[in-house]
Amino acid sequence: QQQVKQSPQSLIVQKGGISIINCAYENTAFDYFPWYQQFPGKGPALLIAIRPDVSEKKEGRFTISFNKSAKQFSLHIMDSQPGDSATYFCAASPSGTYKYIFGTGTRLKVLA
Amino acid sequence: NAGVTQTPKFQVLKTGQSMTLQCAQDMNHNSMYWYRQDPGMGLRLIYYSASEGTTDKGEVPNGYNVSRLNKREFSLRLESAAPSQTSVYFCASSNEFRGITGELFFGEGSRLTVL
Repeated sequence: QQQVKQSPQSLIVQKGGISIINCAYENTAFDYFPWYQQFPGKGPALLIAIRPDVSEKKEGRFTISFNKSAKQFSLHIMDSQPGDSATYFCAASPSGTYKYIFGTGTRLKVLA
Repeated sequence: NAGVTQTPKFQVLKTGQSMTLQCAQDMNHNSMYWYRQDPGMGLRLIYYSASEGTTDKGEVPNGYNVSRLNKREFSLRLESAAPSQTSVYFCASSNEFRGITGELFFGEGSRLTVL
């Protein structure tokens, strides 16, 4: 059973635009929400992460927005660049376990 | 610093053959994981090892076995490969602080095709 639902499946954005990827979760025990970025032929790498005690975290052009009551979180990429073209995975981890649950991924393409 | 190293990078098997995917990390991490990645399915946990000498099942363990050989190495074995095991396999490692799992560091993947 998929516990983290990610949308959209694919996304095309013009250079300089804003890319938005959304995730929703069901398990209220989740308390760590990372986003991973994966380039073709490579393994995923941590991009940014948030814990539920804050509603937003920003690192450079990347921002996570977190809505605990709606059980949703999203990744915003400001001023999107062609180099941001990759697959993005959201994930969630319950407290005290080692079991990350990943979303199904979003393939982002930023047009030059 | 190599991070997480997986071998082989590519492998083609026939149905019923066996093989072992090898993984080693040089970051002194306690925990290691095996994931499979399939189109439209994201990353699914096969097995993980919280520390040397321990292993546990993830979401999709059927058809696989693992061995945590030492702190550095964690292998994944397919005893009798099936076409449904055609996938890209990723090994990862992480460390914990006060019981909270940290960042996952992934290898570059092993692409397996079962004919």
